[in-house]
Amino acid sequence: GESVGLHLPTLSVQEGDNSIINCAYSNSASDYFIWYKQESGKGPQFIIDIRSNMDKRQGQRVTVLLNKTVKHLSLQIAATQPGDSAVYFCAAQPNSGNTPLVFGKGTRLSVIA
Amino acid sequence: KAGVTQTPRYLIKTRGQQVTLSCSPISGHRSVSWYQQTPGQGLQFLFEYFSETQRNKGNFPGRFSGRQFSNSRSEMNVSTLELGDSALYLCASSLGGYQPQHFGDGTRLSIL
Repeated sequence: GESVGLHLPTLSVQEGDNSIINCAYSNSASDYFIWYKQESGKGPQFIIDIRSNMDKRQGQRVTVLLNKTVKHLSLQIAATQPGDSAVYFCAAQPNSGNTPLVFGKGTRLSVIA
Repeated sequence: KAGVTQTPRYLIKTRGQQVTLSCSPISGHRSVSWYQQTPGQGLQFLFEYFSETQRNKGNFPGRFSGRQFSNSRSEMNVSTLELGDSALYLCASSLGGYQPQHFGDGTRLSIL
């Protein structure tokens, strides 16, 4: 099966700095990855996704990097803002996307003004 | 476009009772998945329905069940509630395949 882990349960950054949140997965058959943001009292909110045929994908202020060799995924947030404070989850999905997502435990990002 | 809607938002039950939670997916989404979220275990997959059929099932006891209707709306039922069932229950819908799941804000279930 798949297991997904995050390197740090908490991360504090200064407002305006860049944030990097890391994630590792175990199943080399995982071919679809998603990052979610969860604010207090709300459900996870989709941020960005990437398929295994890509190494990098960019969104608005966010970039996801995928290193399939070491089974590592990262989310980079540029110019971190107070509104970015939340718990961030990565999720992996093996075998063509019709299998369940496996979530990591989450990293709590705190932005210091 | 309306998001995923879950009702009710909060529920308080006692041990031994049963509960039914409801989820209305995003229009056009045929896949609905349910997750249990707790501080200790994180997000754990319960089951997924696609076109009224259970397509995937997680490692939860048979007390947890679900169904999906022809309009893609889904319900999950938990019978003989235990204290350990206290959690946030999240529903997510998607188009399937390599498309992201979109979550509702969940139902917070507390067992007394």
